[in-house]
Amino acid sequence: EIVLTQSPDFQSVAPGEKVTITCRASEDIGNSLNWYRQKPDQSPKLLIKFVSQSVSGVPSKFSGSGSGTDFTLTINSLEAEDAATYYCHQSRSLPQTFGQGTKVEIK
Amino acid sequence: QVQMQESGPGLVRPSQTLSLSCTVSGDSVASDEPYWSWIRQPPGKGLEWIGYIYRIGHTFYNPSLKSRVTMSVDKSNNEFSLKLTSVTVADSALYFCVRYESGVFDHWGQGSLVIVSS
Repeated sequence: EIVLTQSPDFQSVAPGEKVTITCRASEDIGNSLNWYRQKPDQSPKLLIKFVSQSVSGVPSKFSGSGSGTDFTLTINSLEAEDAATYYCHQSRSLPQTFGQGTKVEIK
Repeated sequence: QVQMQESGPGLVRPSQTLSLSCTVSGDSVASDEPYWSWIRQPPGKGLEWIGYIYRIGHTFYNPSLKSRVTMSVDKSNNEFSLKLTSVTVADSALYFCVRYESGVFDHWGQGSLVIVSS
């Protein structure tokens, strides 16, 4: 099973600032890495697919990068509505797995 | 617009079987793709993929749950189902039905909270 480890577990950021979340895979997953946002009391929503591909309806302030085992989600110009938990997910091999989540709080 | 809605009991007794259904609109569960998935989230914790079913009867289950999981499809009602046997408190979670297509989980239900308690 591929283990995904996110860092940090928690981040408190002021509005307008940038957030960077990393996801490290226990083995090479190529570009099979996706990011989701889960707002409180909601289901997760796809943000970025295949490392850096945009998703229809998702603001361009969300971007992704990386390859192999190390990946990054960047959120520019943080707003109050970005308070959520962010998860990475690998679809390279079964079982499909998720990172443990990074909770982003707005200061 | 794809929409998915879970349904089922919110309380299950220990050692009993958890049963949930997911009604899909805007897509067909009988299609070759996508795959129809279940993902769960214990209270305050992260996401765990349970498995998926595709092409009506083909399945992949998480090895950690494989011995207790069965998924099926009901074409006539355009829904798919999850059965998890011999449940314990550790199976208490929010259960999501999710569409999986082209490598991503792109449509999620709102989730169905299941508590295992005597």
